[in-house]
Amino acid sequence: DAGITQSPRHKVTETGTPVTLRCHQTENHRYMYWYRQDPGHGLRLIHYSYGVKDTDKGEVSDGYSVSRSKTEDFLLTLESATSSQTSVYFCAISELGQSNTEAFFGQGTRLTVV
Amino acid sequence: GENVEQHPSTLSVQEGDSAVIKCTYSDSASNYFPWYKQELGKGPQLIIDIRSNVGEKKDQRIAVTLNKTAKHFSLHITETQPEDSAVYFCAASKGNGQNFVFGPGTRLSVLP
Repeated sequence: DAGITQSPRHKVTETGTPVTLRCHQTENHRYMYWYRQDPGHGLRLIHYSYGVKDTDKGEVSDGYSVSRSKTEDFLLTLESATSSQTSVYFCAISELGQSNTEAFFGQGTRLTVV
Repeated sequence: GENVEQHPSTLSVQEGDSAVIKCTYSDSASNYFPWYKQELGKGPQLIIDIRSNVGEKKDQRIAVTLNKTAKHFSLHITETQPEDSAVYFCAASKGNGQNFVFGPGTRLSVLP
């Protein structure tokens, strides 16, 4: 299994509070992604990173920010959590230049905003 | 941007039968099409993938076909087993690392 660790695995937070989710990889892959998974929507991209301090928005980026200060860490921050951000969040990593440009996923973080 | 549709949303088959899941994509620039299996409480795991220069790929009981002209690709699972029960996602990518666009998923149940 690819070396991807998400923390925390579960979190309950109150509306209006800031929340940070962490993704840590040991594969030295260039690309890192944050997806959210909701019933009926599959996996939707929030933000992604193509290198240290290089990030870009995905299709559902409103209300989220990211940072990548080191190759191995990609942080997702909810500045002021809302109930609509209750979801399961997945981090993924990918690398170009290999025969397969597949994405490897972490185990997910279940976030509940009450 | 890319849009990926997936059908059916749920699929029940008897053990030993075949299962077929179909996906369509909208962006003709997409050239990499992976399939992921997600078991309860876990992250998606790649089970097979195909590139746009190949029409079919097999790996034991699993196969994927791609029709570039029609912009659709399919997952075929033969001789299904109870452990095949999971949610399956198709995805499309331009292979440039920028994004993988996923279908909404198919919940496959293999009945013993």
